[in-house]
Amino acid sequence: KAGVTQTPRYLIKTRGQQVTLSCSPISGHRSVSWYQQTPGQGLQFLFEYFSETQRNKGNFPGRFSGRQFSNSRSEMNVSTLELGDSALYLCASSSGLAGQETQYFGPGTRLLVL
Amino acid sequence: AQSVTQLGSHVSVSEGALVLLRCNYSSSVPPYLFWYVQYPNQGLQLLLKYTSAATLVKGINGFEAEFKKSETSFHLTKPSAHMSDAAEYFCAVTFSGGYNKLIFGAGTRLAVHP
Repeated sequence: KAGVTQTPRYLIKTRGQQVTLSCSPISGHRSVSWYQQTPGQGLQFLFEYFSETQRNKGNFPGRFSGRQFSNSRSEMNVSTLELGDSALYLCASSSGLAGQETQYFGPGTRLLVL
Repeated sequence: AQSVTQLGSHVSVSEGALVLLRCNYSSSVPPYLFWYVQYPNQGLQLLLKYTSAATLVKGINGFEAEFKKSETSFHLTKPSAHMSDAAEYFCAVTFSGGYNKLIFGAGTRLAVHP
């Protein structure tokens, strides 16, 4: 089975711009979660989508949004980029049926905001 | 509220020595606990997980962890360190009803020297 894929792998943007990141889950998985990883704040949960619906949300400003398509692929969007948005963005997929299920992580998209 | 504390941001061991990475959790409901490993420029890989079936959990690459409810701990151990174990290790918690919102500890960077 192919793993979780994320595109692009690296991205450089300037302050004020917006960015869209993409995540393709493992085939058959219906849940996609997004995490932000920074040296200062560590790994923080952004949101989770299950069957095209946001099921859970972390404590991030409204500039961070996401969506999920009918084929379970997910995108996250960050508008009005700030320097502090520089981070590794990880997505993870699972079947989504229970909280104890393993989440499989992609390699991440490294975003640098200048 | 759920939280995870990893004692020791950096741990250094000799090749062949015991590896012990500490994780304590706080949860008002029965937790599900996970250990993930992250190699440089990669995503997270699951080492093992506790989902209430057995308190001693064996994972990949010779790692194991023991769930101790009385101590609210889930420490990760490996009897004999290998150079390839050098990486960053994350303990995470979620719970039934929390769906896939993983709450991570700050991570422990393991160095293995000859």
